[in-house]
Amino acid sequence: AQSVTQLDSHVSVSEGTPVLLRCNYSSSYSPSLFWYVQHPNKGLQLLLKYTSAATLVKGINGFEAEFKKSETSFHLTKPSAHMSDAAEYFCVVTATDSWGKLQFGAGTQVVVTP
Amino acid sequence: DAGVTQSPTHLIKTRGQQVTLRCSPKSGHDTVSWYQQALGQGPQFIFQYYEEEERQRGNFPDRFSGHQFPNYSSELNVNALLLGDSALYLCASSLGRNTGELFFGEGSRLTVL
Repeated sequence: AQSVTQLDSHVSVSEGTPVLLRCNYSSSYSPSLFWYVQHPNKGLQLLLKYTSAATLVKGINGFEAEFKKSETSFHLTKPSAHMSDAAEYFCVVTATDSWGKLQFGAGTQVVVTP
Repeated sequence: DAGVTQSPTHLIKTRGQQVTLRCSPKSGHDTVSWYQQALGQGPQFIFQYYEEEERQRGNFPDRFSGHQFPNYSSELNVNALLLGDSALYLCASSLGRNTGELFFGEGSRLTVL
């Protein structure tokens, strides 16, 4: 079985400062990991994915995440927050024996202040 | 290019009733998955349809059923509604069933009174 734990339910940052969203995973198999973003009244959108290639993954809108097997972590970062980054972010895991069945974390709400 | 479209966007039902939600996948996609998102929680996988058959199922009772049509569109049916079924129901489509790259619709908000 696989699961993810998002360590912060809410994160508040000032515009222009770094963003860090923390995610730990648990998986019996070699996992594939994703970050999805959900803006208010919008559909979930894929930010980036890790599928056992490079451990540092770059995504859209300046986000990146690093897969650390020794720490079972997949934290999401962005060097400089923008007001448009205010949204809910979900860390997601799927296993190679159940591709397409995504296991979502509880989400991290990001607030960006001017 | 239209993305994933869902209907209706909002609906209200009473306990014991039945509901049908509809989804049209992104153009070119052949796989549809359904997720339930309760308020303040992450989405939970209900089931996945590919080639008009249910291929994977999450931990949901048989009251939740679905269908996929030859044009790849899909329906989610929920019978004997409970208060706890109140949630945002998300449809996601993909090219092929073995991928985590899903395209989501904006959802159908179901309220059960």
